[in-house]
Amino acid sequence: GEEVAQTPKHLVRGEGQKAKLYCAPIKGHSYVFWYQQVLKNEFKFLISFQNENVFDETGMPKERFSAKCLPNSPCSLEIQATKLEDSAVYFCASSPQFDEPYGYTFGSGTRLTVV
Amino acid sequence: RKEVEQDPGPFNVPEGATVAFNCTYSNSASQSFFWYRQDCRKEPKLLMSVYSSGNEDGRFTAQLNRASQYISLLIRDSKLSDSATYLCVVNSISSGSARQLTFGSGTQLTVLP
Repeated sequence: GEEVAQTPKHLVRGEGQKAKLYCAPIKGHSYVFWYQQVLKNEFKFLISFQNENVFDETGMPKERFSAKCLPNSPCSLEIQATKLEDSAVYFCASSPQFDEPYGYTFGSGTRLTVV
Repeated sequence: RKEVEQDPGPFNVPEGATVAFNCTYSNSASQSFFWYRQDCRKEPKLLMSVYSSGNEDGRFTAQLNRASQYISLLIRDSKLSDSATYLCVVNSISSGSARQLTFGSGTQLTVLP
């Protein structure tokens, strides 16, 4: 498709529960990026993929966060044992190449609320 | 110091006004520069790329000064629909592992009738 599709739009989890978010990039886009946006517009880079390979994971909190992009499946971001501070909007973006002069296309995000 | 810094605003301007936003970046190896717009916690949408020669798209003009590591966005004849948060975004490629889009914290604009 011509849009980055993220599901679900909203997710509510109790502290300690698992959360799994999905992202289907635009067909033909090789790069997928995950960002976390908390209050005050701060975007935090989490991880990027080039096809199914991790491209850059310097932003990932390794102990509870994991992500995958498998062939013929939506990419996923999973948070084990969620904490209150994980409450945020998680955006996925895709791009046909890393140094994309026309910018990246973002999905509409998944709003995670941890209670 | 943040890698990309913006004046957070808010900027409240009347319709028809001209407003300018500034942004500075610290990574001299940065390659690509963008202005994104974000409405009410929706997804960021690309407004325009920023080129060294400067570029214009209708009422919007973007400038890049690589020597000063400074980016600007000028909005002329502002309209109510321009009300949004404007994000300065830098794409950096370095010898280290920092290879991703880095966002400024955004500048909030409200255009008043």
